[in-house]
Amino acid sequence: TQLLEQSPQFLSIQEGENLTVYCNSSSVFSSLQWYRQEPGEGPVLLVTVVTGGEVKKLKRLTFQFGDARKDSSLHITAAQPGDTGLYLCAGARAAGNKLTFGGGTRVLVKP
Amino acid sequence: SAVISQKPSRDICQRGTSLTIQCQVDSQVTMMFWYRQQPGQSLTLIATANQGSEATYESGFVIDKFPISRPNLTFSTLTVSNMSPEDSSIYLCSLGTGAYGYTFGSGTRLTVV
Repeated sequence: TQLLEQSPQFLSIQEGENLTVYCNSSSVFSSLQWYRQEPGEGPVLLVTVVTGGEVKKLKRLTFQFGDARKDSSLHITAAQPGDTGLYLCAGARAAGNKLTFGGGTRVLVKP
Repeated sequence: SAVISQKPSRDICQRGTSLTIQCQVDSQVTMMFWYRQQPGQSLTLIATANQGSEATYESGFVIDKFPISRPNLTFSTLTVSNMSPEDSSIYLCSLGTGAYGYTFGSGTRLTVV
């Protein structure tokens, strides 16, 4: 059982549509991060959220950290083919720097 | 942010052999981390590489199978020993903190035949 559950596992949409990816846990995290990984590359950090209820926007991407710091969501507005990739959430517990990764959401944006 | 150079980028190895993966960082960092990513899957932490002491391994990973070296604050290696096809994965090194995020190497895609 994953400590962080991501949903959906796979998402295929047309260019211009919106999408939301969810990351849920029964545990509290001191911070939660979102990464995007493209084939042949390592994950690239998109955002870190640390405060319960925090909302961060990065162009067409909106990230939200739940009030209880147990869950997070990533919303992409007007998706483009360049948004295609594997999206990973990862949480850090209060002690230490180790990250726990969710199972990942594979997003395909078709032109 | 720090830049990591990881090599090799990919390799095809015979079962029973070993492969050493190298990561070079352009600045000094205290901790480096090694992850495994099986095909189509998420990342699993193998171990934390500490400079000047033995690596700390996660449950399910042992030093005999995945020996790690950390000779200085800018370099680390991970060896995959006595390989079997089940070891076919992407191996990634990384650095960073839980609070501010991690930087990853580009990964080593290992295929064991």
